[in-house]
Amino acid sequence: NAGVTQTPKFQVLKTGQSMTLQCAQDMNHNSMYWYRQDPGMGLRLIYYSASEGTTDKGEVPNGYNVSRLNKREFSLRLESAAPSQTSVYFCASSLGGYSTGELFFGEGSRLTVL
Amino acid sequence: AQSVAQPEDQVNVAEGNPLTVKCTYSVSGNPYLFWYVQYPNRGLQFLLKYITGDNLVKGSYGFEAEFNKSQTSFHLKKPSALVSDSALYFCAVRDLRYSSASKIIFGSGTRLSIRP
Repeated sequence: NAGVTQTPKFQVLKTGQSMTLQCAQDMNHNSMYWYRQDPGMGLRLIYYSASEGTTDKGEVPNGYNVSRLNKREFSLRLESAAPSQTSVYFCASSLGGYSTGELFFGEGSRLTVL
Repeated sequence: AQSVAQPEDQVNVAEGNPLTVKCTYSVSGNPYLFWYVQYPNRGLQFLLKYITGDNLVKGSYGFEAEFNKSQTSFHLKKPSALVSDSALYFCAVRDLRYSSASKIIFGSGTRLSIRP
């Protein structure tokens, strides 16, 4: 059982380039999330999708866009990458709705913006 | 707005001694509270949760956590630490005011180091 799968695992971009991080889950979860992890800052919520067809801003949405393509997939796009977006990005999913909401995480995508 | 504070960046404990990792939270409604662990170069793994009921909850790997509503705290504990417990620990909160949206906020993390 794959759980939550993120691609790519590593990426180096130049300032101003664009890219999309892909995430897919095979647990039939309703809710999906994108977090970034930076030293000393913990995990900060970028965007989340409570259910298919809905997306909402988290704590740090500026510079990002998301698409909930279907129930399985939730992508994160950087339109014009900046060095401040150098980080490790985690996708997560949960059953959602009125469930108790524990998250299942992918292995992370390490992004460096030069 | 909901928030989580982990006041210690690092906790150092000798193997066999009890350990405590602190967490305080702020929400408008009633909270769901969680602890997660992260090993190097891995995603986070769920350890335990508080939903309602008994204030002492037990989770994976012998960890437990105590919910204290008056102090808005949810400290992680283990009676006897193992070297293999060394990892990064995160506290998280879900505000039940947003129960249908499942918005979950994390603290900054505490690095637990267990010396032999």
